[in-house]
Amino acid sequence: EAGVTQSPRYAVLQEGQAVSFWCDPISGHDTLYWYQQPRDQGPQLLVYFRDEAVIDNSQLPSDRFSAVRPKGTNSTLKIQSAKQGDTATYLCASSFDNANTEVFFGKGTRLTVV
Amino acid sequence: GDSVTQTEGLVTLTKGLPVMLNCTYQTTYSPFLFWYVQHLNEAPKLLLKSSTDNKRTEHQGFYATLHKSSSSFHLQKSSVQLSDSALYFCALSDTSGGNYKPTFGKGTSLVVHP
Repeated sequence: EAGVTQSPRYAVLQEGQAVSFWCDPISGHDTLYWYQQPRDQGPQLLVYFRDEAVIDNSQLPSDRFSAVRPKGTNSTLKIQSAKQGDTATYLCASSFDNANTEVFFGKGTRLTVV
Repeated sequence: GDSVTQTEGLVTLTKGLPVMLNCTYQTTYSPFLFWYVQHLNEAPKLLLKSSTDNKRTEHQGFYATLHKSSSSFHLQKSSVQLSDSALYFCALSDTSGGNYKPTFGKGTSLVVHP
């Protein structure tokens, strides 16, 4: 079974540039998460979806970040105007909608903003 | 809201020694606890999980016991190997309001020397 697929794996931007990250979750998983992981730190939730609906985006910087999951399958996370503080790995994860289930992560997109 | 506190930063050990990585949590609901491991340039993946009070759970030589009385889920191994060098995250999920998003600790980096 294919795991969670993310692209691109790496991105280098100048401040002010835009970038989009794409995620293909495990087939059948109704819940999809986007996490920001600073270097050598734990994942911090940005937004998560159940099917196509946003359940929690309270930690998403709404002035520059946006995320969609239009058909309840693939998802895109976009940064409109990147800042140096956005430098991190962006992890997509998916799971079934159950408190006792593990979350499956993709390998992430490592973003560097210079 | 939920929170997870881990031994932060770097833990450095010599091969063959025991290790314990601390994890405590706060929630007002019934907890589900997880340990994830992330090797360099890899996706985080589940190491072990538990929701049963005072029952030891084991996987790949690592073990942990959920103690609800002290809100703890410490990860242990009796003899670390070079391949155990990785980033370890404790995560909490619960049954609050039907939203099962896991909350992650900030992570502990384990480095094992020969």
